[in-house]
Amino acid sequence: AQSVTQLGSHVSVSEGALVLLRCNYSSSVPPYLFWYVQYPNQGLQLLLKYTSAATLVKGINGFEAEFKKSETSFHLTKPSAHMSDAAEYFCAVSDGVGGGNKLTFGTGTQLKVEL
Amino acid sequence: DAGITQSPRYKITETGRQVTLMCHQTWSHSYMFWYRQDLGHGLRLIYYSAAADITDKGEVPDGYVVSRSKTENFPLTLESATRSQTSVYFCASSGTGTGNGYTFGSGTRLTVV
Repeated sequence: AQSVTQLGSHVSVSEGALVLLRCNYSSSVPPYLFWYVQYPNQGLQLLLKYTSAATLVKGINGFEAEFKKSETSFHLTKPSAHMSDAAEYFCAVSDGVGGGNKLTFGTGTQLKVEL
Repeated sequence: DAGITQSPRYKITETGRQVTLMCHQTWSHSYMFWYRQDLGHGLRLIYYSAAADITDKGEVPDGYVVSRSKTENFPLTLESATRSQTSVYFCASSGTGTGNGYTFGSGTRLTVV
């Protein structure tokens, strides 16, 4: 079975500060990892994905994440927060990239960006 | 327009009533999924479908029924709604590989009173 743990249900940063959202996974097979963002009253949008290529993955809106097998982590970072980054972020794990491979989501981290 | 659409966006229903949430995608994706989103639980898989007429249970299927007679549609029915089914429901689709993750609809906010 696979699972994802997101540390911190709420994270608050100042505009211009570093964003760090933590995600640790558990998987019995090499994982495929995803970060999604959800803006208020919207569905989830894919930010970035790790599918066993480069361990440092760059996504949209200046976000990136690094896959660290030794730490079973896939933390999401952004060097400088913007007000528009305020949203809920979900980490997800899949045991493959076939269409039938189901995603297991973490419980989410609400990011607040303050002036 | 191409995409995945859910209807209705908002629904209030009474305990014991049957309600159906609709999901329609225009990409001809093989795989479709229903998740519910609840505070403190993230997203939990209710049912999924690999193709027309092929469906299977997810993590929390009790009280729900799905069908998929056509590739593009994947309706979710609550046979007898309960207050514990108050939630936001998301439909998603995926092509032959999840390498691109899922594409999600905008959700249906269901309140059972």
